[in-house]
Amino acid sequence: DAGITQSPRHKVTETGTPVTLRCHQTENHRYMYWYRQDPGHGLRLIHYSYGVKDTDKGEVSDGYSVSRSKTEDFLLTLESATSSQTSVYFCAISGQGNQPQHFGDGTRLSIL
Amino acid sequence: AQTVTQSQPEMSVQEAETVTLSCTYDTSESDYYLFWYKQPPSRQMILVIRQEAYKQQNATENRFSVNFQKAAKSFSLKISDSQLGDAAMYFCAFLNFGNEKLTFGTGTRLTIIP
Repeated sequence: DAGITQSPRHKVTETGTPVTLRCHQTENHRYMYWYRQDPGHGLRLIHYSYGVKDTDKGEVSDGYSVSRSKTEDFLLTLESATSSQTSVYFCAISGQGNQPQHFGDGTRLSIL
Repeated sequence: AQTVTQSQPEMSVQEAETVTLSCTYDTSESDYYLFWYKQPPSRQMILVIRQEAYKQQNATENRFSVNFQKAAKSFSLKISDSQLGDAAMYFCAFLNFGNEKLTFGTGTRLTIIP
């Protein structure tokens, strides 16, 4: 299995609070991705990174920011969480952009 | 923008039988990749099979095979000799060559009937 660790695995928080999710990889892969999974929508790309300090927006980036200061870590931040951001969040990695992506185990985030 | 459509929200099959999950996609590109991912109740996303658009030969992985029809923009997954462990959500995904962004379908929930 690809070495991907997401933390925390579960989190419950209140509307308006900041939240940071962490993705850590041990594969030294260049590409890292954040997705959210909601019923009826499949997985949708939030942001991705193609190198240290190199990031780009995905399909549903509003309300989210990311940072990648080291190859192994990719952080997803919700500056002021809203109930619409309640979801399951997945991190994925790949060595090259056209290679299959391998996924972490997901973080279930509930915003009350 | 690419779109991926899975028109079967739910499917069921008897254990040991064969089932086919449908996927269609829309793109104007000629070079791309297609994937099937499996998500069991454990929530893990597991790569099942991959197809490069330039390859005419359909990909196979043990009991899993695809029927790739490039002109029809169709990419179906066939599961032979279905097993209880095959019960999961199955997602079709599209990757444009040089784009790095996966586009997923909405998934098909597969139930295996003992």
